Amino acid sequence: GNSVTQMEGPVTLSEEAFLTINCTYTATGYPSLFWYVQYPGEGLQLLLKATKADDKGSNKGFEATYRKETTSFHLEKGSVQVSDSAVYFCALSDKAAGNKLTFGGGTRVLVKP
Amino acid sequence: DVKVTQSSRYLVKRTGEKVFLECVQDMDHENMFWYRQDPGLGLRLIYFSYDVKMKEKGDIPEGYSVSREKKERFSLILESASTNQTSMYLCASSFGPSGGYRGYTFGSGTRLTVV
Repeated sequence: GNSVTQMEGPVTLSEEAFLTINCTYTATGYPSLFWYVQYPGEGLQLLLKATKADDKGSNKGFEATYRKETTSFHLEKGSVQVSDSAVYFCALSDKAAGNKLTFGGGTRVLVKP
Repeated sequence: DVKVTQSSRYLVKRTGEKVFLECVQDMDHENMFWYRQDPGLGLRLIYFSYDVKMKEKGDIPEGYSVSREKKERFSLILESASTNQTSMYLCASSFGPSGGYRGYTFGSGTRLTVV
């Protein structure tokens, strides 16, 4: 079946530091890949997505590139802010699995001033 | 702004009670989903629905049922609440054919505590 593995947190950073959250996946088909963000006390929001190999999703300074050869979709941001403190979820959607989202376990990121 | 609205942010219920969690979306989405979120376990799919009056089991349906009588509303039912159902419950919706690559819209969640 499908699965998503992402690095465990928490990840603690200082403001303006570089952030990377690793995500790898296993899928039976050719999935679409997503990063969702959950701010404290809220539901999940779609942060960015990529639907085919070598696509780069980007939003709010975050980027992730769909790497089919390494089955990865790592999230990066060059200079984090305190407001980026949240839980980040990597997810995939596979047409072979009825387009349901499969989530990784989430990575908590804490950015300190 | 498009919305998925969950009726309660916090609920406290007693063991054995029948609990209803309501979710309404205003985007005319075909698909609706219920997840539970637990520390260390991420999000796990309980039930989903691709159309009115249809439902499919997700990965952890035991102890739950659902109802979808109208397109915009998807209810999660805990027939007899137990303490191991204490969790954050998240509702989501998506378009039918394109939901797979357009992603889902989530509600703000209901934190349920069963005592």
